[in-house]
Amino acid sequence: DQQVKQNSPSLSVQEGRISILNCDYTNSMFDYFLWYKKYPAEGPTFLISISSIKDKNEDGRFTVFLNKSAKHLSLHIVPSQPGDSAVYFCAASVYSGGGADGLTFGKGTHLIIQP
Amino acid sequence: DTEVTQTPKHLVMGMTNKKSLKCEQHMGHRAMYWYKQKAKKPPELMFVYSYEKLSINESVPSRFSPECPNSSLLNLHLHALQPEDSALYLCASSQENAGNYGYTFGSGTRLTVV
Repeated sequence: DQQVKQNSPSLSVQEGRISILNCDYTNSMFDYFLWYKKYPAEGPTFLISISSIKDKNEDGRFTVFLNKSAKHLSLHIVPSQPGDSAVYFCAASVYSGGGADGLTFGKGTHLIIQP
Repeated sequence: DTEVTQTPKHLVMGMTNKKSLKCEQHMGHRAMYWYKQKAKKPPELMFVYSYEKLSINESVPSRFSPECPNSSLLNLHLHALQPEDSALYLCASSQENAGNYGYTFGSGTRLTVV
């Protein structure tokens, strides 16, 4: 049973427009949600995170929105640039308070920015 | 230095071989992780080390044996692997609560078992 779901395997957006990547989750115990970007043959790169007590976090061109009641989050990239073309993973973690916790990843969305 | 370094980048091994994957970080992180990623799948957590002690083992077969010699190093010893173990193996590190700060991932070791 997948606890973190990204239902769009790919998304194509024109350069300069807004890219919206969506993620749904089923585990209400998740405390943090994170977005990672991955290029081929590289490890995932951390982009932005949000705590479950917030509904929005912004960092430059990247904004993450969290709707706890709907168990849904989204990543907005404005404006989209060619270098944003990559696979984006949504991930979530439960903070146990006693030490490090692993991440549960979604399957990823391949974002393609078209000139 | 904000990198997680993994060696080797590529590894081909037979089913009877013994090999080790290595991971190193110098960011002062006290948590280190091994993930496995198959093609077109998300990374899956294998092991978590917190303050050099194994804190999470996600029911990984014993042919995978992690080792954390010190706070900067994490190894994954491989023995008698199967072809289905072929995957990208990712190492990551973080401050204790990764939620706020995220993980730093290495570039991975591409493992092929023949």
